[in-house]
Amino acid sequence: GQSLEQPSEVTAVEGAIVQINCTYQTSGFYGLSWYQQHDGGAPTFLSYNALDGLEETGRFSSFLSRSDSYGYLLLQELQMKDSASYFCAVRDRVMNTGFQKLVFGTGTRLLVSP
Amino acid sequence: DTGVSQDPRHKITKRGQNVTFRCDPISEHNRLYWYRQTLGQGPEFLTYFQNEAQLEKSRLLSDRFSAERPKGSFSTLEIQRTEQGDSAMYLCASSKTGDPMGYTFGSGTRLTVV
Repeated sequence: GQSLEQPSEVTAVEGAIVQINCTYQTSGFYGLSWYQQHDGGAPTFLSYNALDGLEETGRFSSFLSRSDSYGYLLLQELQMKDSASYFCAVRDRVMNTGFQKLVFGTGTRLLVSP
Repeated sequence: DTGVSQDPRHKITKRGQNVTFRCDPISEHNRLYWYRQTLGQGPEFLTYFQNEAQLEKSRLLSDRFSAERPKGSFSTLEIQRTEQGDSAMYLCASSKTGDPMGYTFGSGTRLTVV
């Protein structure tokens, strides 16, 4: 089976930097993804790490360490609109089919205050 | 293309009734997924189509649930004899084979069983 652990809630102020951690356990690993979801909205893809290291996309960066089964999402220059839930997700291959499904963590609710 | 569309956005039904949801994926995406999300949780995988073939189903998908994707375009998810435990957000997502990036999710259908 698979399991992913994230903090349930993180709070920060505008302009700050926040890091959301994710640890995972999975029988097969084919990359770590991050999604953002505003209340009532669709999950939106943010980033994907297949290899160790840091991927940067604007104000958001994502890091992966496969040896530690660990990753994080770094949000810089926080804005009020960044208040949302953030999910890490692993691609897990289903045996005998080759199909890779996304398995999501329970999510981290980020609250950005003025 | 305006992304993944789901209809209806909201559905309230009485316990025991049947409901059907529709998903229109991004036109060039050959893969389609259904997920279920309850409050405070991450999306949980239900089923997956590659073109018109349903290739994977979760154990969460009981016999009361059926999904189709005729002609490999839109998909429907039907729940028969609804139960209160079926109340959730039902999300549809699509992707393209060989694209290592993320899924594109629709805004979901929120089902409330009373």
